[in-house]
Amino acid sequence: EVKLLESGGGLVQPGGSLRLSCAASGFTFTDFYMSWIRQPPGKAPEWLGVIRNKANGYTTEYNPSVKGRFTISRDNTQNILYLQMNTLRAEDTAIYYCACLYTTGDYWGQGVMVTVSS
Amino acid sequence: DVVLTQTPSTLSATIGQSVSISCRSSQSLLDSAGNTYLYWYLQRPGQSPQLLIYLVSNLGSGVPNRFSGSGSGTDFTLKISGVEAEDLGVYYCMQATHAPLTFGSGTKLEIK
Repeated sequence: EVKLLESGGGLVQPGGSLRLSCAASGFTFTDFYMSWIRQPPGKAPEWLGVIRNKANGYTTEYNPSVKGRFTISRDNTQNILYLQMNTLRAEDTAIYYCACLYTTGDYWGQGVMVTVSS
Repeated sequence: DVVLTQTPSTLSATIGQSVSISCRSSQSLLDSAGNTYLYWYLQRPGQSPQLLIYLVSNLGSGVPNRFSGSGSGTDFTLKISGVEAEDLGVYYCMQATHAPLTFGSGTKLEIK
């Protein structure tokens, strides 16, 4: 059974940093692209970026809306996906999901809440 | 960025009624290889989005066949043939042809 379990969310002050983790199991982690997607309360999801699979050199691509502030990485020995978020703003408040999106299907985690507030 | 415009924003239906949701893209979603990366999701209250349709018209794993997708280029439609109570939630279209990947603004389905 595929599982994606996010952790590391919480309350952070504006200008602060936070690192989210996503523990993956039940599939061959290195074969898949992994994405981070967020959803502000009551709004549509927003794709943040992707880290590609082994065959594509684990390269990354970001949404311009967060490029330079957010960094996606992966630990392929422990099957963990990371999202490092810096210089956080109130508008970064959202549920953050890790997801494995592929052409004919997908897997999503249950999401973790990040609140940016003083 | 590609903008996906969904209509209507809210839909109210009775059990058994058939309904349709439109998703219009600001650019063609047909890529140079002839693929159209248009997806439909349902997000039930308090849950992660669930894939319903991939590549315009293909049913996701375990998805009931009352759901169907159609369209091409910039105009796409999700149809539910006979709404059931479990179909309530917010429906999103998503495109993955052009970076960055983008989602529509959503259509909320309410059951009368």
